[in-house]
Amino acid sequence: EPEVTQTPSHQVTQMGQEVILRCVPISNHLYFYWYRQILGQKVEFLVSFYNNEISEKSEIFDDQFSVERPDGSNFTLKIRSTKLEDSAMYFCASTDTDTQYFGPGTRLTVL
Amino acid sequence: SQELEQSPQSLIVQEGKNLTINCTSSKTLYGLYWYKQKYGEGLIFLMMLQKGGEEKSHEKITAKLDEKKQQSSLHITASQPSHAGIYLCGADIGSGTYKYIFGTGTRLKVLA
Repeated sequence: EPEVTQTPSHQVTQMGQEVILRCVPISNHLYFYWYRQILGQKVEFLVSFYNNEISEKSEIFDDQFSVERPDGSNFTLKIRSTKLEDSAMYFCASTDTDTQYFGPGTRLTVL
Repeated sequence: SQELEQSPQSLIVQEGKNLTINCTSSKTLYGLYWYKQKYGEGLIFLMMLQKGGEEKSHEKITAKLDEKKQQSSLHITASQPSHAGIYLCGADIGSGTYKYIFGTGTRLKVLA
């Protein structure tokens, strides 16, 4: 069964550093998403992406964040200058018509 | 108060029992999604409901969205230990501007 993959599974970085989280969606899917979950808190929507552009984004998704589909297979989330409060699990998802498939997540730890 | 409230917060049932989880908002729910999250793991999409009065089923799980599109329920029939986890609802509650939020979650434990 096809699946969404995410790398790395765990990323540790220093505050102020840039990080890129990578996702490989299911190949024929057209809609892509990033979510995050701070430890012990609710899941939060970050951004959705369709046809090579952002279709929706939340208030969290400020200028520090960007997304890209650089090569037709990867879907990346970049955080330009990480803050302590960016520490969280980041989940990528892709959809066909109405079913979302989630990746296993990347745990980002900002020190 | 939470914009998307789930009840109960936690639930312990005996295997084989039926159970219901509710997701309530004071605002219209534009596209209501149900997810399951195993402890410490990722999300599993269960169902999406869009129309008032809509009902969908998958295996032993049935979800409904009320006519006013402000409440959804998730019903599990003859629960099994494999149903254990955290159930989350998510929805766009923005009118005009998109605002997607998740519910507070319901922790389900099924005793064998």
